[in-house]
Amino acid sequence: DVKVTQSSRYLVKRTGEKVFLECVQDMDHENMFWYRQDPGLGLRLIYFSYDVKMKEKGDIPEGYSVSREKKERFSLILESASTNQTSMYLCASSLRQGLKDEQYFGPGTRLTVT
Amino acid sequence: AQSVTQPDIHITVSEGASLELRCNYSYGATPYLFWYVQSPGQGLQLLLKYFSGDTLVQGIKGFEAEFKRSQSSFNLRKPSVHWSDAAEYFCAVAAARAGSYQLTFGKGTKLSVIP
Repeated sequence: DVKVTQSSRYLVKRTGEKVFLECVQDMDHENMFWYRQDPGLGLRLIYFSYDVKMKEKGDIPEGYSVSREKKERFSLILESASTNQTSMYLCASSLRQGLKDEQYFGPGTRLTVT
Repeated sequence: AQSVTQPDIHITVSEGASLELRCNYSYGATPYLFWYVQSPGQGLQLLLKYFSGDTLVQGIKGFEAEFKRSQSSFNLRKPSVHWSDAAEYFCAVAAARAGSYQLTFGKGTKLSVIP
């Protein structure tokens, strides 16, 4: 089975802190994604990566950056956390770049910024 | 740009009753459509997907969905709901973007099941 793991289930940070959210997949998938999920807004794509060191902005990239130095790992970085970044963050991966490829999701990290 | 609308924010059904969750999409080309389920505290799990061919697709956990191009709809159904089906359900459409592709999700429908 494909497994996507996220480094923390719950995280509490202070305003202005630099925050790293880590995601690891164990099935040699090419694509990796970061979403945030907010009540009433569904999932919104922050960034995605289709290869090592490659990244593309999603719909809401402002205030975030990403890093993909190894194929299995995709990090989301909040350079200076703000309260409006309190949210659930979901990582996903998929095998190839095809439209038909299923995305596999991690359990999510609930981030609270105080 | 593509979009997905799930008109029902919250639905409550009795256990054993039938279920239909609505999904309407907007996409200029042939749509690739997905339904995901998210149980409380969990990530998303794929229920089923539609790419082409038979417009009625079967998924896991007894769910099915019907693609209707004329109505731009992809509604999810289950003939008899179980208490364990209580979760949030997301419809999504895949679209090509920047040499890759992305999923655009609806805002979700939360399902509550009355014993």
